[in-house]
Amino acid sequence: EAAVTQSPRNKVAVTGGKVTLSCNQTNNHNNMYWYRQDTGHGLRLIHYSYGAGSTEKGDIPDGYKASRPSQENFSLILELATPSQTSVYFCASGERGAEQFFGPGTRLTVL
Amino acid sequence: QQKVQQSPESLIVPEGGMASLNCTSSDRNVDYFWWYRQHSGKSPKMLMSIFSNGEKEEGRFTVHLNKASLHTSLHIRDSQPSDSALYLCAATDTNAYKVIFGKGTHLHVLP
Repeated sequence: EAAVTQSPRNKVAVTGGKVTLSCNQTNNHNNMYWYRQDTGHGLRLIHYSYGAGSTEKGDIPDGYKASRPSQENFSLILELATPSQTSVYFCASGERGAEQFFGPGTRLTVL
Repeated sequence: QQKVQQSPESLIVPEGGMASLNCTSSDRNVDYFWWYRQHSGKSPKMLMSIFSNGEKEEGRFTVHLNKASLHTSLHIRDSQPSDSALYLCAATDTNAYKVIFGKGTHLHVLP
């Protein structure tokens, strides 16, 4: 089965601090995605990538950057974390037009 | 405006009953629909997909699609307490890298 891992699983950060969330996939999928999930909003797409070296803005990219240094790794970077970014973050991988495989999620709390 | 609308937001059914969940896309370019299931504290996992008009059955789960109205529905017969979860509908077109998720339906199956 497809394998997507995320680290850290839980993170507490301070307002104004830098946070990096990491994602690794062993499926050799071209596409990777970062979502956040909040009560009442469902899954919202932050950034995605269709291959190493590429990053594209999703529906809510403000305050976030992404990096795809290799086929396997996709990072989400919060340069200046704010309390409004407190959420559960999911990474996913998949091919275009196909099922997405999700990682276990990272619970981020910004104080 | 949410491009994928799900209803109801919450649904309570007795054990052994039938659960019916609805999903409609406002994007005319959509070709594919997925249903994902997310148990509490876990990540979403694809449950069923449907790409053609008509019906698809897998065990206790049946999904319908009407491409003209961009409406899909998921029906769970003989519902079990283990079916209690958040059900997410997702849609995409075959040329897009992005998948748009609805806000989900919370299903509660009472023993």
